Amino acid sequence: GAVVSQHPSWVICKSGTSVKIECRSLDFQATTMFWYRQFPKQSLMLMATSNEGSKATYEQGVEKDKFLINHASLTLSTLTVTSAHPEDSSFYICSAGSQGINQPQHFGDGTRLSIL
Amino acid sequence: KQEVTQIPAALSVPEGENLVLNCSFTDSAIYNLQWFRQDPGKGLTSLLLIQSSQREQTSGRLNASLDKSSGRSTLYIAASQPGDSATYLCAVSGNQFYFGTGTSLTVIP
Repeated sequence: GAVVSQHPSWVICKSGTSVKIECRSLDFQATTMFWYRQFPKQSLMLMATSNEGSKATYEQGVEKDKFLINHASLTLSTLTVTSAHPEDSSFYICSAGSQGINQPQHFGDGTRLSIL
Repeated sequence: KQEVTQIPAALSVPEGENLVLNCSFTDSAIYNLQWFRQDPGKGLTSLLLIQSSQREQTSGRLNASLDKSSGRSTLYIAASQPGDSATYLCAVSGNQFYFGTGTSLTVIP
């Protein structure tokens, strides 16, 4: 079945550091990938839609200069949390589908980001 | 804006019981509805996908139904096992994916 790999699974770093998270579709091509954020005991909130070869679409309230998204190929999207602060600590998850939003979405295992 | 609600928020049952998880959504204009399982600190595992034209899907001990007109879906788990303990999320897809609030299930041995 379709596999989405997310790396790293856990990051602990100092405040002010920039952190890059990778999301790869291993056995299919994805023109669109999605980035979510999840706070403890809450559901997933869509942050942005990553489009291959073009700019990402950000949800209202998400700072695009803070959360940089690059979708350079049909199998890789990256999310960079720039100058991270403790309030950016969260669980970040990506998803991708081989046929877009109206087909099954496959999720990465998530990245737990802890900013000290 | 689409709103997805899950009831109950938490559920604890003894092993072997059959149980039903509920999901409701406010906008019936959806492509599909998907049920996921999330274990603590982990990503999401897709359980069942129901297209908007379908009424139900079954996989093993799981059965999901969809009533698009009333904005409701149920996930039925038969003969629950301790390994079923997890958070269950439903999500509907329109122009984006909208997740429900989740139901935390504990199956007691």
